[in-house]
Amino acid sequence: DAGITQSPRHKVTETGTPVTLRCHQTENHRYMYWYRQDPGHGLRLIHYSYGVKDTDKGEVSDGYSVSRSKTEDFLLTLESATSSQTSVYFCAISESTSGRASQANEQFFGPGTRLTVL
Amino acid sequence: RKEVEQDPGPFNVPEGATVAFNCTYSNSASQSFFWYRQDCRKEPKLLMSVYSSGNEDGRFTAQLNRASQYISLLIRDSKLSDSATYLCVVLIVTDKLIFGTGTRLQVFP
Repeated sequence: DAGITQSPRHKVTETGTPVTLRCHQTENHRYMYWYRQDPGHGLRLIHYSYGVKDTDKGEVSDGYSVSRSKTEDFLLTLESATSSQTSVYFCAISESTSGRASQANEQFFGPGTRLTVL
Repeated sequence: RKEVEQDPGPFNVPEGATVAFNCTYSNSASQSFFWYRQDCRKEPKLLMSVYSSGNEDGRFTAQLNRASQYISLLIRDSKLSDSATYLCVVLIVTDKLIFGTGTRLQVFP
């Protein structure tokens, strides 16, 4: 299994509080991603990173920010959590995004973080 | 219209049966295609990539039809351990993966 961990694995918080989720990899992969998964929706990309300090928005980035100060760590922050951000959050990594189906652009996922915002 | 659409199921099949899932995608410029498997309350894991010529991995066969913009996954001789949700995934031109909502398979004894 790819070396990718997420912390915390479970969190319950209150509306309006800041929350930071951490993704840590030991694979030295260049690309890192944050997704959320909700019933009735596929995994949706929040933000992604293509290198240290290089990040970009995904399709559901409002209310979220990210930072990547080291290759191995990718942080997702909810500045002021809302109930609509209750979800399961997955981090993923990939070696490349060459555009061709190959082992290099396979995305490996972390175990997920279940976040509940009351 | 969703970019990637799948029948949510569930598909309930007996052990040993053959089952097929289809997935349609809307972006004709999509570059790469994958099937991921997700067990209940677990992370998705790559099952197989889908190549233009089709590909087979043991009991699993994936096909791509670019003209009709769909991909398929065939599972032969179903096992209890195949019970999971199967996610159709498309890599679009901006190098981002678009995930379908998944098709749930339940194999019973």
